[in-house]
Amino acid sequence: KAGVTQTPRYLIKTRGQQVTLSCSPISGHRSVSWYQQTPGQGLQFLFEYFSETQRNKGNFPGRFSGRQFSNSRSEMNVSTLELGDSALYLCASSLDPSGKVRSYNEQFFGPGTRLTVL
Amino acid sequence: GNSVTQMEGPVTLSEEAFLTINCTYTATGYPSLFWYVQYPGEGLQLLLKATKADDKGSNKGFEATYRKETTSFHLEKGSVQVSDSAVYFCALSGGGGTSYGKLTFGQGTILTVHP
Repeated sequence: KAGVTQTPRYLIKTRGQQVTLSCSPISGHRSVSWYQQTPGQGLQFLFEYFSETQRNKGNFPGRFSGRQFSNSRSEMNVSTLELGDSALYLCASSLDPSGKVRSYNEQFFGPGTRLTVL
Repeated sequence: GNSVTQMEGPVTLSEEAFLTINCTYTATGYPSLFWYVQYPGEGLQLLLKATKADDKGSNKGFEATYRKETTSFHLEKGSVQVSDSAVYFCALSGGGGTSYGKLTFGQGTILTVHP
């Protein structure tokens, strides 16, 4: 079974631009979570989607948004990029068959998209 | 809210040495605990997990026991190899609050193993 895929793997943008990152979860996984990884702040949760609905959101400004499609693929968008948005953005998928909160649901991570803002 | 604290790093060991990476957590309720590993240029891989008190997770020679009384989940390996060099993250999910799809991570510990 194919793992979580993320595209593109690398992006270079300039301040003020916007960017869209894509994530394809493992087949059959319905939950997709997004994280930002930086040397200073570590791994921080952005948001989680299940069945096209955002169920949870981290403490990030409204410039960060996402969506999920009916095939569980997800995108995240960052508008009006700032230098501090340079980071590795990681997507993770989880089976979550019941749609209920199960803390033991494992998350499987993709390789990430490295975003550099100049 | 939930939080995870890992030992200060980096950790440098010689091959075949014993490894311990400390992890403690703060959470209400009954969280699940995980160790993830990240190799250079890659995403995170699940190393092991434990979902209730006194559970022991194990994989590839690594072990960790869920200690509710000390709120800890320390990672251990009896004999490390050069190929174990990576960044290790302790994480928790659940444990009360709004927890859909959210892992809370420690700051990560860089492990370097020399031949």
